[in-house]
Amino acid sequence: EAQVTQNPRYLITVTGKKLTVTCSQNMNHEYMSWYRQDPGLGLRQIYYSMNVEVTDKGDVPEGYKVSRKEKRNFPLILESPSPNQTSLYFCASTGQGAVGYTFGSGTRLTVV
Amino acid sequence: ILNVEQSPQSLHVQEGDSTNFTCSFPSSNFYALHWYRWETAKSPEALFVMTLNGDEKKKGRISATLNTKEGYSYLYIKGSQPEDSATYLCASFNQAGTALIFGKGTTLSVSS
Repeated sequence: EAQVTQNPRYLITVTGKKLTVTCSQNMNHEYMSWYRQDPGLGLRQIYYSMNVEVTDKGDVPEGYKVSRKEKRNFPLILESPSPNQTSLYFCASTGQGAVGYTFGSGTRLTVV
Repeated sequence: ILNVEQSPQSLHVQEGDSTNFTCSFPSSNFYALHWYRWETAKSPEALFVMTLNGDEKKKGRISATLNTKEGYSYLYIKGSQPEDSATYLCASFNQAGTALIFGKGTTLSVSS
């Protein structure tokens, strides 16, 4: 089944403890992106990647890092999480022939 | 930052009613317009990707139109059913065509 897989689905962590949210797609998509969803603000883009080793900042990149060493994986790294990064995170991908973005199931992160 | 605006913010209709929502976006440097359906506790799913002025797409009881010259798109639902209850998102690409910018969505609730 064509899908974008995110892990974990839920995570509660403490301020300053580094964490990684993984994202993997099995559709050979070139483009991958991370979004965060906050009440009243809609989906806001954090980082995106046009292809392997090509990443760029979205609208809200502060406090996040990404890497794209392989085409299928696009992890989101929070080096020192803070409470204002408490949010619902979505990974998405798209590529040639795709109709729109395929979204992962989301990661609900709480930083205390 | 490109602004994608959606109205109304929320909408409540009775089963069998037809309804429509609006998405407005900057008409300059238009690249593509996406519509997504987002059910509670799930991830957004692509409905339509539209690129041409005057384009009209249909999927069952849901259809969408696009006016790139004036920068708006309408989503129509004919004969709403309770299972149509969801948040409907539209999104347009930034000027570089590298990032999909989402509106805040229209939340539809259909009562039986």
